[in-house]
Amino acid sequence: GNSVTQMEGPVTLSEEAFLTINCTYTATGYPSLFWYVQYPGEGLQLLLKATKADDKGSNKGFEATYRKETTSFHLEKGSVQVSDSAVYFCALRTKTSYDKVIFGPGTSLSVIP
Amino acid sequence: NAGVTQTPKFQVLKTGQSMTLQCAQDMNHEYMSWYRQDPGMGLRLIHYSVGAGITDQGEVPNGYNVSRSTTEDFPLRLLSAAPSQTSVYFCASRGGGAVDTQYFGPGTRLTVL
Repeated sequence: GNSVTQMEGPVTLSEEAFLTINCTYTATGYPSLFWYVQYPGEGLQLLLKATKADDKGSNKGFEATYRKETTSFHLEKGSVQVSDSAVYFCALRTKTSYDKVIFGPGTSLSVIP
Repeated sequence: NAGVTQTPKFQVLKTGQSMTLQCAQDMNHEYMSWYRQDPGMGLRLIHYSVGAGITDQGEVPNGYNVSRSTTEDFPLRLLSAAPSQTSVYFCASRGGGAVDTQYFGPGTRLTVL
């Protein structure tokens, strides 16, 4: 079946450090891939997305590239800020499903000054 | 434009009680979904709807009922609450077709004693 695997957290980084959160997926066909962010006490917000192989999604300094050959969609940011502290979820949606978005378990990120 | 709203924000129930979690959206979205979020498990789909009068089951539907009598509203009913239903519940909506962005409500934190 379809599934999403993310690196275990929590991740703690110093401000201005480089961030990578790994995400790999298993899916039939060519899914759309997403990164969502959840700030404390809030619902999820779409951070970025990619809908086909080699697409790069980007937003707020975060980037992720859809790699079909490695079934991966790793999230990166060159210089994190304290305000980036949140939980990050990788997710996929297959083209044949109505609204069955499959989420990974989430990775908690804490950025310290 | 309020987006996706959920009520209540917090709820405590005793085992065996019933209740309804409310969800409404004012974006005229076709698709609406209910998820539960549990530590280390990401979000799991409970039920979803692709339009008024049409609902279907997700990954974890047991113990929950839904209906969609209008485009705007998608209530989730717990028929006989159990401690295993202690969780944070999120409602989400998105437009139809190729529109991928899901909008999430702020969540309802439910505790079943």
